[in-house]
Order: sequence, then structure tokens, then C-alpha cells
Amino acid sequence: DIQMTQSPSSLSASVGDRVTITCQASQDISNYLNWYQQKPGKAPKLLIYDASNLETGVPSRFSGSGSGTDFTFTISSLQPEDIATYYCQQYDNLLRFGPGTKVDIK
Amino acid sequence: QITLKESGPTLVKPTQTLTLTCTFSGFSLSTSGVGVGWIRQPPGKALEWLALIYWDDDKRYSPSLKSRLTITKDTSKNQVVLTMTNMDPVDTATYYCAHRFGVQDAFDIWGQGTMVTVSS
Repeated sequence: DIQMTQSPSSLSASVGDRVTITCQASQDISNYLNWYQQKPGKAPKLLIYDASNLETGVPSRFSGSGSGTDFTFTISSLQPEDIATYYCQQYDNLLRFGPGTKVDIK
Repeated sequence: QITLKESGPTLVKPTQTLTLTCTFSGFSLSTSGVGVGWIRQPPGKALEWLALIYWDDDKRYSPSLKSRLTITKDTSKNQVVLTMTNMDPVDTATYYCAHRFGVQDAFDIWGQGTMVTVSS
């Protein structure tokens, strides 16, 4: 059973700031990792697949990197509409979501 | 345009069986590579993957819930059904179905979700 951790669990940043979220898998998952954004009261939205590929239509300020056990999700310039909870999800061995990172505006 | 919509009871009693239906359009579950998954989210908590069914009728389940879950598909009706037995108040959550994207087990299109409360 692959366990996923995310850090931080929450963060506050100013508009225009660079925001970085990390996701760690308990074992090597290659690049089998996706990132989602979930706004309050809404269904999640796929942002990044296979660790670093931007889903069609997603702004380029979002990016992902990493492989193996350590992954990073970055918002290069935080915008007010980016307020949400972000989840990583592995699919190397079945599927599992991380615990999420809540992003607020300072 | 792909759309999915969940339907089922909003309230179930403890020990009862929950049956949820995902009705979709814009794709066929008989097309190679396609899949539909179920994910739930208790109020204020994280997403939890439950089950996934593929075009070839292969099925995957969350290990922690495998004994309670069954996922099936009806290709002619464009529906996927999830049953969960022995419901408990901790199963209170919003239940989502979602379209599996490409060859990755990523969910690119989600239903709006349906809230299920387990209470006597």
C-alpha cells in the first residue's frame, strides 16, 4: 500500500508569490503522479498528469516536477482565483490521493 | 463534450447498502482505454479513491474498502454503478464519479458529486 504525504498542509501567500507544494510517496512511483485543484463546494479539477504534463487549458503558471518518491507542484505567481486545496494522486499501485494542501491569500 | 452525473439516495441508515449510479455522456465505456472511477470526500476532509472500472471490465478497488464495494458497468445505458455494503456514519460523504483520462489513471472530467448521509 503506497502512502502519500503532502507539505505543508496549508499555506498563506500574497498575490504574485511563488508557491511550492511537495508530495512524497512511500515508495518509488516513477512519474505516476497527478495534481488536482479543488475549490470550495466544487469537484476537483485535473491540473497536471504524469508529474509534469499540464492538462489542456490549464494556465502555464502551474507546473509540476519530480519522479520516484519526491514531487513538487508550483504556482509561479499566485492569483486570487488559485485559492483552493491541492491534491496529489499516485497511480503506480492502485490509486491514492494525498491529504491535500490548502492555499489561502495572505 | 463529456459529462457525468451521480444519482442515488441522499440518506441511508446504518448497515444498509448504498447504490449509486453514474450516468455519463460524450464517451463510450466500450472504447479502449476508457474508465470510470468513484471518489468520495467526507465533509471537510480529503479525497478518497474508491473504485475504478475499465473498458475491458477490469476492476480495481481501494484495499481498505474492497470487501464492501462492487463496481459494474452497463455500456448500453452509459452507466456505472457502485454498491457499498454495511454503511456506517463514517461513510457520510460527497461521492463523485469521474472519467479516466487517456492511459493514465487520472480523472479529467468529474461529476458534480452527490452527498450521502448515513444516519438512523
